[in-house]
Amino acid sequence: KQEVTQIPAALSVPEGENLVLNCSFTDSAIYNLQWFRQDPGKGLTSLLLIQSSQREQTSGRLNASLDKSSGRSTLYIAASQPGDSATYLCASHNAGNMLTFGGGTRLMVKP
Amino acid sequence: DTGVSQNPRHKITKRGQNVTFRCDPISEHNRLYWYRQTLGQGPEFLTYFQNEAQLEKSRLLSDRFSAERPKGSFSTLEIQRTEQGDSAMYLCASSLSGSSYGYTFGSGTRLTVV
Repeated sequence: KQEVTQIPAALSVPEGENLVLNCSFTDSAIYNLQWFRQDPGKGLTSLLLIQSSQREQTSGRLNASLDKSSGRSTLYIAASQPGDSATYLCASHNAGNMLTFGGGTRLMVKP
Repeated sequence: DTGVSQNPRHKITKRGQNVTFRCDPISEHNRLYWYRQTLGQGPEFLTYFQNEAQLEKSRLLSDRFSAERPKGSFSTLEIQRTEQGDSAMYLCASSLSGSSYGYTFGSGTRLTVV
């Protein structure tokens, strides 16, 4: 059974800092890995999708990497802004047609 | 296309009552998923449809829960005889078939059982 862990559980940084969120998974036989953002009381917004054959994906100030052999993915946020404050969730897509989520990292970017 | 739509956004119900939630997926997506998320946790898989067929159910889905997707379009999730432990955010997602496609989630239905 796939297990996904996100570290740290919470992170507070001053505006302008670059930061890295970590995601690890136990079963490397994944189809893809998806990063989501969730604002309080809201649904999930997809940020980046990395296919199994890819190493990274970029969108604006966000860059996500995937290393299947080590069971890790990272989400890099450049020049953080207060509007980036949210919970960030990673999810692996394995056989069985379901996503397995980590517990999330709650990010606070202070002005 | 307005994305995945869920109704209602919030539902407060008394313990023992039945509730029903609706999800309208992205029209061309043939796969539809239900997840449950409790406070401070990541979402957990409940069930999945491909077109109108319910292909997988989690052990989290007790016999008080039932989901349908008539005609492979919208889906409903019904909870009978609600319990306080059912209080959570219920999220719906849809996708195309195939491992290369990502999921699109709706805004969720927040259920509070009092």
